[in-house]
Amino acid sequence: QQQVKQSPQSLIVQKGGISIINCAYENTAFDYFPWYQQFPGKGPALLIAIRPDVSEKKEGRFTISFNKSAKQFSLHIMDSQPGDSATYFCAAANSGGYQKVTFGTGTKLQVIP
Amino acid sequence: ETGVTQSPTHLIKTRGQQVTLRCSSQSGHNTVSWYQQALGQGPQFIFQYYREEENGRGNFPPRFSGLQFPNYSSELNVNALELDDSALYLCASSHSGGAGELFFGEGSRLTVL
Repeated sequence: QQQVKQSPQSLIVQKGGISIINCAYENTAFDYFPWYQQFPGKGPALLIAIRPDVSEKKEGRFTISFNKSAKQFSLHIMDSQPGDSATYFCAAANSGGYQKVTFGTGTKLQVIP
Repeated sequence: ETGVTQSPTHLIKTRGQQVTLRCSSQSGHNTVSWYQQALGQGPQFIFQYYREEENGRGNFPPRFSGLQFPNYSSELNVNALELDDSALYLCASSHSGGAGELFFGEGSRLTVL
């Protein structure tokens, strides 16, 4: 059962543009929503995270928007750069239990000059 | 601060064999989780260890087993290897109260022939 659905599967954005990745979850017990960035040959690295008590969180060029009623959240990358080219995973976790993190299927982002 | 290190980085086994993968957690972290990442997919939770005991398990058969040692390092053992076990195996360390804040190693790439 896929509990976190992610789209699109791949994304091509021009340098300076906005990259948008969307995710939806089913389990209402989830209360922590991180995004991970993975470069080829590397493990995923935590990029930014949000809890459902806020609707938006911004860190530099990265912003998470969260819609609790729709059970959806999204990552916006402003002023996208070629160095942002990587695979992005949304994820969800229940901080009240053991630390199982459920990942989406990933979005491969390519930022072209 | 030492990050998460995994060994070996690559290995090839044949069907039916057994494999042991090793992980040293980031300093200060007392919880270790293992994830399986198939090609083009998001990481899938295998299990988590805290205080040398398994305290959470995903949808993986008993031939996947693990250990955590007093220094918080960990092993993942897989018996009776199957072709579908071919994947990147990721170790992640975290604080016990760290929700979904996982710090991943670079993984061990297992190929089963």
